[in-house]
Amino acid sequence: AQKVTQAQTEISVVEKEDVTLDCVYETRDTTYYLFWYKQPPSGELVFLIRRNSFDEQNEISGRYSWNFQKSTSSFNFTITASQVVDSAVYFCALRGYNFNKFYFGSGTKLNVKP
Amino acid sequence: GAVVSQHPSWVICKSGTSVKIECRSLDFQATTMFWYRQFPKQSLMLMATSNEGSKATYEQGVEKDKFLINHASLTLSTLTVTSAHPEDSSFYICSATGQGNYGYTFGSGTRLTVV
Repeated sequence: AQKVTQAQTEISVVEKEDVTLDCVYETRDTTYYLFWYKQPPSGELVFLIRRNSFDEQNEISGRYSWNFQKSTSSFNFTITASQVVDSAVYFCALRGYNFNKFYFGSGTKLNVKP
Repeated sequence: GAVVSQHPSWVICKSGTSVKIECRSLDFQATTMFWYRQFPKQSLMLMATSNEGSKATYEQGVEKDKFLINHASLTLSTLTVTSAHPEDSSFYICSATGQGNYGYTFGSGTRLTVV
């Protein structure tokens, strides 16, 4: 079965704090893809990152970083020095090898207060 | 590249009427398109998968006669909500995949309100 769990429903931080959003996944596929999306109040899904199952290197993009650990089936997302504009709902998602459907986590709402 | 356009962004309709939502791939040929629905404060749930030229495959619990999906060309898929009711009010969003495209971009979504 394919499943993505985002245990944190909502997180509130003060601007400039670091925050980590957790994502745990389940899959029987040996090849799969993991994603993070940002959904601002306007609703569109903003693509942040795609990781394939063979690439466990951590990635950093500006204030964003991702920690992929197959051993624990986790793909956590950290925002360093958070800003008010980071306030949004963040979704972690899993996709199988054949580019089939996405399995989304329930989302984590991040509130960054000034 | 891999741009998916969705129209309209929002629509308000009267109960009992039908609404059509379009999803277009602008710079690639979309062999497969996916339609998702998101209720307020909930996650995105796949409604159906459509392959160009074939009938759509619906997820369990999604009424195929109510949510008509047409994918007649490699760049356009439409979702028609027939005889809409207030409980169909939701955010509908599509994504598409095609040759050379991993399909991880989504349309901008359509917010449907049925009054």
